[in-house]
Amino acid sequence: KQEVTQIPAALSVPEGENLVLNCSFTDSAIYNLQWFRQDPGKGLTSLLLIQSSQREQTSGRLNASLDKSSGRSTLYIAASQPGDSATYLCAVRMETSYDKVIFGPGTSLSVIP
Amino acid sequence: DGGITQSPKYLFRKEGQNVTLSCEQNLNHDAMYWYRQDPGQGLRLIYYSQIVNDFQKGDIAEGYSVSREKKESFPLTVTSAQKNPTAFYLCASSRLGDRGTYGYTFGSGTRLTVV
Repeated sequence: KQEVTQIPAALSVPEGENLVLNCSFTDSAIYNLQWFRQDPGKGLTSLLLIQSSQREQTSGRLNASLDKSSGRSTLYIAASQPGDSATYLCAVRMETSYDKVIFGPGTSLSVIP
Repeated sequence: DGGITQSPKYLFRKEGQNVTLSCEQNLNHDAMYWYRQDPGQGLRLIYYSQIVNDFQKGDIAEGYSVSREKKESFPLTVTSAQKNPTAFYLCASSRLGDRGTYGYTFGSGTRLTVV
């Protein structure tokens, strides 16, 4: 059974710091991994999607990497800003189940001005 | 702009009532999904549909029902059989085909509260 974990559960950093969020999964048979951002009381906004054949994706200050064989992905945020404060979730799309996507529990990020 | 629209944003249900949450997408996506989000429990799949007039139960389907009469619409009914319906409900959609390429697009959610 696929399990997705995210460490840390919560993170507080001063503005301007570079930071890394971690996502781990137990079953490497995935089609892709997607990183989302969720603001309080809002829906999920897609940040980056990495296909299983890819190693990383970049968008602006965000860089996501994928090591499928070790079951790990990282989301790197450069020069953090208070507006980056949100919960970040990763999700894996499974090969083995009928269109199944498994979400991690999220990392709550707070960037202090 | 294309996207997913969920309505209403807030919904209050009395004990014993059925309520219906709306989800409409204009992205021409084949698949649509309903998730429930509770504090500390993450997202759990309620139902999903990959084609009109067909849908599948997810992990927590008991007490819920859905329909998919149009490609664009996937309403969720929370029935009186759902004993703990207070939660944040999220609708999502996705293209199919090459699943490696496509991810999920989410709506803005509906917060349901039992009064």
